[in-house]
Amino acid sequence: EAGVVQSPRYKIIEKKQPVAFWCNPISGHNTLYWYRQNLGQGPELLIRYENEEAVDDSQLPKDRFSAERLKGVDSTLKIQPAELGDSAVYLCASSPGLLTDTQYFGPGTRLTVL
Amino acid sequence: AQSVAQPEDQVNVAEGNPLTVKCTYSVSGNPYLFWYVQYPNRGLQFLLKYITGDNLVKGSYGFEAEFNKSQTSFHLKKPSALVSDSALYFCAVREDRDDKIIFGKGTRLHILP
Repeated sequence: EAGVVQSPRYKIIEKKQPVAFWCNPISGHNTLYWYRQNLGQGPELLIRYENEEAVDDSQLPKDRFSAERLKGVDSTLKIQPAELGDSAVYLCASSPGLLTDTQYFGPGTRLTVL
Repeated sequence: AQSVAQPEDQVNVAEGNPLTVKCTYSVSGNPYLFWYVQYPNRGLQFLLKYITGDNLVKGSYGFEAEFNKSQTSFHLKKPSALVSDSALYFCAVREDRDDKIIFGKGTRLHILP
């Protein structure tokens, strides 16, 4: 069974530029998460989807971040414009859907904003 | 609101010795507790979880963790450490009345040959 797929793995951009990250979850997983992991820290939730509905986006900086999961499968996270402080690893995870379910993580996208 | 603490930034253990990585939590309801491991340039990999039942949970790669409700702890343990266990370990907590999952800041485990 394929795991969570993310692309790109690395991205370097200049500040004020836009950037987008893509995630394809494990087949059949209804719940999809986007996390941001700063250096030396644990992951922090940005947004959680149940199928195509964003059910928790309280930590998403909505002035510059947006996300979508149009058909309830793969998802895109966008930053526009990027700031220096956005440099981090962006992780995508998926789970079948229950609170007790394990989350399965993708390898992440390491973003560097210059 | 729930919280989780990993009091040690780094733990050093000699190969073959037992290891413990500490985690304490705070929740209002019943906790769901998880341990993940992260290798360099990789995503988090699931090790084990406690949902209910037996307080001693066994997981991947010979790891286990003991849920202690009175001490609100969920320490990760392994009887005999391997050099390949060197990695970053994260504890996470979720409670049964809230959808949010909170991760600790991580503990870097160094196994010395």
